Order: sequence, then structure tokens, then C-alpha cells
Amino acid sequence: EAGVAQSPRYKIIEKRQSVAFWCNPISGHATLYWYQQILGQGPKLLIQFQNNGVVDDSQLPKDRFSAERLKGVDSTLKIQPAKLEDSAVYLCASSDLSGGAAPLHFGNGTRLTVT
Amino acid sequence: DAKTTQPPSMDCAEGRAANLPCNHSTISGNEYVYWYRQIHSQGPQYIIHGLKNNETNEMASLIITEDRKSSTLILPHATLRDTAVYYCIVSTNAGKSTFGDGTTLTVKP
Repeated sequence: EAGVAQSPRYKIIEKRQSVAFWCNPISGHATLYWYQQILGQGPKLLIQFQNNGVVDDSQLPKDRFSAERLKGVDSTLKIQPAKLEDSAVYLCASSDLSGGAAPLHFGNGTRLTVT
Repeated sequence: DAKTTQPPSMDCAEGRAANLPCNHSTISGNEYVYWYRQIHSQGPQYIIHGLKNNETNEMASLIITEDRKSSTLILPHATLRDTAVYYCIVSTNAGKSTFGDGTTLTVKP
């Protein structure tokens, strides 16, 4: 099966600019996650979708971050305006929880550098 | 969510078994233990998971204590390619997965 696809692979922007990341999950996976991973740390959950509904966005900085999953398939994560501390790898993952517990499948992420 | 505690780093000799410990003393009855690993510049890769019983697959074995408060991931014959950061997490059927900072395993020749 095809894995989780993310683009772009790398992005460099200046502070106060906006940026968007795209994720295409594994076909049939209803659950989609966005994680932020700062260098040297483990991934931090930003938002979890079930189909096109938000399950958990408690750690999403909503004043500057937004995410959507129209039609319950692809998802985009946007940052506007970006700050220096947003420099990180943004990971998308998907999972099929229809049968109960299931692992997360991750993409290779988008590395964002804010200058 | 239950939190996990892992040592920040471990070394292992190539060809020997790598035993990575994880404490999850506040785990709930419906939470599973998952292990992932992350190689530089890649997303985390799923290794194995379990609820109560020990599990084995082609990559590793997972030993969960009877009280479920800790577990050990075993890589039976570590190779240089097993050098990575290993994450132990607990997760419910709802799928929320909170990562810590993991254990950096270095396999040495």
C-alpha cells in the first residue's frame, strides 16, 4: 500500500509570512494526525481528525495555526503568521481505528525553517 | 493519557540483543503499549504493540509485565541499522498517542 504522502519536503520562510503543508493519508484511514517535532524532542500532537471532524486540537496554537480536512481525505496545516519558534518538522500520520487499536503510519514530514 | 518514562540513551553491541525498558505506571486497562522508532530525517516507524500478553513479530519482541506498569522492547540481534530513537507510548482505541523524548539507541560495531 502507498504510504502517507506529505509536501513540500522542505520550506524556508521569513517570520510573519504564512505557510501551508499538505498531507495525503493512506487510503481508507479515517483518522489523521498532525504532529510538530522540534529538534531533539519527540513529536507533539497538534490536531487529530476523525474523517473530517476534529477529535482533539487542545495543543494547536489557534491564534496562528489552522488545519482542515475537507471531504475526510487530504488535510492541510497552515501557519499564519509564522514565528521563529515554529521551526520544526511537521509530521502527518494516519490510522485505521475501525477495528480497534491500530498503529500510526507516518509520512516523512515537512521541515520548516523560519528566519 | 498515561505517561511513559524511558532512559534517554543506551548502547548495544552489534549482534547482541538490545533490551529497551519503558515505565508506564499509570496505564489504564484499555490502553495499549506501542513502540515506534525514528531514524534521522524520517517519520516514526511502527514496530509492535500489545495490551497484556507478550508479542513477537519479525522486527522485535514486546514483554509486558503482569501488572502492566512496565514493558521491554527486545531487538534480538541488533545491527547498525537499528541505531535510532525508540519511542514507547500508550494509547487507547480512540487513537490519541502522546510521545515522550524516547531512547536513543546506538548500536556499536
